[in-house]
Amino acid sequence: SAVISQKPSRDICQRGTSLTIQCQVDSQVTMMFWYRQQPGQSLTLIATANQGSEATYESGFVIDKFPISRPNLTFSTLTVSNMSPEDSSIYLCSVARLAGAYEQYFGPGTRLTVT
Amino acid sequence: QQQVKQSPQSLIVQKGGISIINCAYENTAFDYFPWYQQFPGKGPALLIAIRPDVSEKKEGRFTISFNKSAKQFSLHIMDSQPGDSATYFCAAFPPGAGTASKLTFGTGTRLQVTL
Repeated sequence: SAVISQKPSRDICQRGTSLTIQCQVDSQVTMMFWYRQQPGQSLTLIATANQGSEATYESGFVIDKFPISRPNLTFSTLTVSNMSPEDSSIYLCSVARLAGAYEQYFGPGTRLTVT
Repeated sequence: QQQVKQSPQSLIVQKGGISIINCAYENTAFDYFPWYQQFPGKGPALLIAIRPDVSEKKEGRFTISFNKSAKQFSLHIMDSQPGDSATYFCAAFPPGAGTASKLTFGTGTRLQVTL
């Protein structure tokens, strides 16, 4: 498995502002993903964070709203931009050691509330 | 289009009983079926997983039963304990490498084990 930490663990933000969430892994991994989990709901993939290139976004998610960085094999950030109350969710970082690896591990999540 | 259907949405089981959660999938290309356990305020944790070349996998009190012809798989929790109270997600993963290989999650089952 992998030990994954996220910062912050939770935050309350005002609408119109932006928040950057950090994800740190204890070892190098090939794949890093960002998910959103709305209260009481399942997980929805936002994007795959690619090292050294632009992230790959899923349908319904755009770079302007959710810019992602991945400067190395152990770290990634997700920014939630120009927030609205609809962005209130848990944001989860996930990793897989190898491309196409079956086992995927999740961080503890960042609980975001937008007022 | 939801590719993995999960039921029930919620489940209450007495301590010592058997908890059963069912999932059905549509895409016959899926070839890895994990179950995740999520406690409140935590990220999902990989619990147990199965490949379609076996019909059953057991790890401690947790068993996955897999029916390839019916495109169904289920999680059985034997001797359920209050500490098992959590939300359980089934998922499916297609073969291949790279960003095309993404987990598809079920909608989740909230399990409560009562004393």
